[in-house]
Amino acid sequence: GENVEQHPSTLSVQEGDSAVIKCTYSDSASNYFPWYKQELGKGPQLIIDIRSNVGEKKDQRIAVTLNKTAKHFSLHITETQPEDSAVYFCAASRTGTASKLTFGTGTRLQVTL
Amino acid sequence: NAGVTQTPKFQVLKTGQSMTLQCAQDMNHNSMYWYRQDPGMGLRLIYYSASEGTTDKGEVPNGYNVSRLNKREFSLRLESAAPSQTSVYFCASPKPVNTEAFFGQGTRLTVV
Repeated sequence: GENVEQHPSTLSVQEGDSAVIKCTYSDSASNYFPWYKQELGKGPQLIIDIRSNVGEKKDQRIAVTLNKTAKHFSLHITETQPEDSAVYFCAASRTGTASKLTFGTGTRLQVTL
Repeated sequence: NAGVTQTPKFQVLKTGQSMTLQCAQDMNHNSMYWYRQDPGMGLRLIYYSASEGTTDKGEVPNGYNVSRLNKREFSLRLESAAPSQTSVYFCASPKPVNTEAFFGQGTRLTVV
């Protein structure tokens, strides 16, 4: 089955700096890659996703890049703010949808003032 | 519009006790999922239901049973709880076109 590795497990950045979280996947048939943000005491919430026919997608301060050849994808957050502090999960699916997602182990992002 | 609602939010069980975690969604979605979240392991799929009347095993189904009671409700049952089942449990329901999964707020279960 699919295996998704995520690094780093913790990340601390100063407000205004950029943050990058990286994931690698094992199943070359995976074609849908979402990123979820989980705030303390809440369930994960989708923040951005990308499909295998696209190399990059951007939504305001967040962007995701995908390298199918290397089987890795990354989340980029620019101009970080304290409210970006949360746990971020990458995931992969071969169904092209949010069904049967395999999640990474999570990255705890701390944005300091 | 509440989205996905889970009950209870917290629960402490003794080893061997049973309990049922409840999940309900008001978005008229077909699919519903149960995940468990453990430190350093991300979210792992326990069971899922692609539509009313169907259920299938996920990655870690042992020790659990599920019931898709109707289109709205999907319950997870622990028949004989074990300390290894201490975890945070999330119910989720993807959109019909499956581009986003909506999660409940989770149930924190401790088995002592």
